[in-house]
Amino acid sequence: AQSVAQPEDQVNVAEGNPLTVKCTYSVSGNPYLFWYVQYPNRGLQFLLKYITGDNLVKGSYGFEAEFNKSQTSFHLKKPSALVSDSAWYFCAVSYSSGNTPLVFGKGTRLSVIA
Amino acid sequence: EAGVTQFPSHSVIEKGQTVTLRCDPISGHDNLYWYRRVMGKEIKFLLHFVKESKQDESGMPNNRFLAERTGGTYSTLKVQPAELEDSGVYFCASSRLLAGAMYNEQFFGPGTRLTVL
Repeated sequence: AQSVAQPEDQVNVAEGNPLTVKCTYSVSGNPYLFWYVQYPNRGLQFLLKYITGDNLVKGSYGFEAEFNKSQTSFHLKKPSALVSDSAWYFCAVSYSSGNTPLVFGKGTRLSVIA
Repeated sequence: EAGVTQFPSHSVIEKGQTVTLRCDPISGHDNLYWYRRVMGKEIKFLLHFVKESKQDESGMPNNRFLAERTGGTYSTLKVQPAELEDSGVYFCASSRLLAGAMYNEQFFGPGTRLTVL
């Protein structure tokens, strides 16, 4: 069975500092990995995905994530945090590239402090 | 193009009552998914429609939940009768139906926050 773990319920970071939101996964076969963000009173917005290829994936709003197969991790990173990055971040995995549901982690609340 | 819309945005009902949630997917998206997030827990898959057919309903918690997608356009999720543990945020997502190895990005709606008192 597939599963996703986000070990931190909350991450606090000062504006301008780098941020990391952690995610580890468990899936049989090749994983398809995603990050979504939810801003207050908004739906889930797609940030980035890893399907195949380069382990470093770049996404929206300056975010990137590194796929590490040996550690089964897909941590989300940004070199310089903005206050506007404050939101809930959800990591998700699928065992297939198309037409299948996503399995999500429980989310991490990111607070960027000015 | 218009995004996925959900109605209502909030619903507060009493235990034992009935509530119907609606999702309008992006036009042309044959895949429609329902997910739920209970407070403090992960977002969990409920069911998946391909057009008007239920492709996978393995995540539906029990028979108090009934989902429909008549005509393959919008979908409704009815909870009858509602229980306290049904409280949470219900998300709908849609994607194109594409064959092969291409990833079909799921676009999510804003969610319906359901509170059962």
